[in-house]
Amino acid sequence: QSVLTQPPSVSGAPGQRVTIPCTGSSSNIGGIYDVHWYQQLPGKAPKLLIFSDYNRPSGVPDRFSGSKSGASASLAISGLQVEDEAVYFCHSFDIDLGGSVFGGGTKLTV
Amino acid sequence: QLQFQESGPGLVKPSETLTLTCTVSGDSISSRSHYWGWIRQPPGKGLEWIGNMYYSGTPYYNPPLRSRAAISIDTSKNQLSLMLSSVTAADTAVYYCARQRAGGRYYFDIWGQGIVVTVSS
Repeated sequence: QSVLTQPPSVSGAPGQRVTIPCTGSSSNIGGIYDVHWYQQLPGKAPKLLIFSDYNRPSGVPDRFSGSKSGASASLAISGLQVEDEAVYFCHSFDIDLGGSVFGGGTKLTV
Repeated sequence: QLQFQESGPGLVKPSETLTLTCTVSGDSISSRSHYWGWIRQPPGKGLEWIGNMYYSGTPYYNPPLRSRAAISIDTSKNQLSLMLSSVTAADTAVYYCARQRAGGRYYFDIWGQGIVVTVSS
């Protein structure tokens, strides 16, 4: 069971907008620790999508956005494209664990 | 451009020690801005942080793995290594090395391609 909670799956039609929630606690997201998001395409390594709550690395389209409120965070994907089909993971630091924690991953079907 | 080359056995017998190496190119493993870490992903499952370390510091481990894992850095070879002892079938996974931003941010900005490790007799 993952420290950060994500729904196993979400779906949306091309062009629509979806959000993927990630729920933590006061020892991670709800504390002072940033949330990060990764996209994992089938058979590939995870790729950084959003860092420090809402920042996009160079090359990531602005269709992807992140937000955080309290002990929860969300990844929003607008203008869905078929190539967005992937598994998305949230990640934070947990002070009780003393290291990184991940969500269980959410499979996006377009 | 930063790249990783992960190497190690694809098959390990139960109770043996798994040893993986990650060679870094395009950046110095002695960077003051980054940690270097290992993450694994069992088949069909999510990501599990194994541990990380700063080039000149103490390794940090995920508590369930602390008694079996050992991470080290060889700055002369620009390499990160992982040893995992007393492996069982539960250690079967894709193992990734990754660069992790330091300074309180902790995100993994660059990942290796992963190496598949199967534990089986």
